Amino acid sequence: NAGVTQTPKFRVLKTGQSMTLLCAQDMNHEYMYWYRQDPGMGLRLIHYSVGEGTTAKGEVPDGYNVSRLKKQNFLLGLESAAPSQTSVYFCASEGQQEPYEQYFGPGTRLTVT
Amino acid sequence: AQSVTQLDSQVPVFEEAPVELRCNYSSSVSVYLFWYVQYPNQGLQLLLKYLSGSTLVKGINGFEAEFNKSQTSFHLRKPSVHISDTAEYFCAVSGGSNYKLTFGKGTLLTVNP
Repeated sequence: NAGVTQTPKFRVLKTGQSMTLLCAQDMNHEYMYWYRQDPGMGLRLIHYSVGEGTTAKGEVPDGYNVSRLKKQNFLLGLESAAPSQTSVYFCASEGQQEPYEQYFGPGTRLTVT
Repeated sequence: AQSVTQLDSQVPVFEEAPVELRCNYSSSVSVYLFWYVQYPNQGLQLLLKYLSGSTLVKGINGFEAEFNKSQTSFHLRKPSVHISDTAEYFCAVSGGSNYKLTFGKGTLLTVNP
């Protein structure tokens, strides 16, 4: 039981390049989330999904797209990376019933130069 | 809308001293409250949660928190800290049909020998 995994762990991009971050969970959770963490800002929600085939915008969605084609996977895409997207990205998943705990992946550290 | 305020961005303490990390929230509905811990270069891990019932909640690693509805607070406490408790601590709230977590900006706890 791996929990929540994220790929890759580190990435350096040049401005304008694109990439996809992959999140996978093996807990059969319905809800999945993408956050970004910046110093002094806490975690901010980018996009989330309440089930396979559904996605919705969070607090800071601009410049990102997501897809949830399979229940266990949640992809975060950057179509044209900008230096402002330099951050640590965390994925989380959550079941539909109590205890309403979100389980986090180990994070992806992205640098855009 | 809901929000979380962590009143201290940094808390330095000496080993074996008691510590309190403060968290206040605002919400128009009943809430669930959480404290997460993030050790250096790792993802977030749940410390404890309040869903209902007893207002004093015990978590892992000797931490506890008290839910105070009248003061809209959920402060985290530990009677005697260890060097290994050095980490960033995040308070989070979710409520009603809004299953999304709102995080505070974090408190960096540094335990010095």
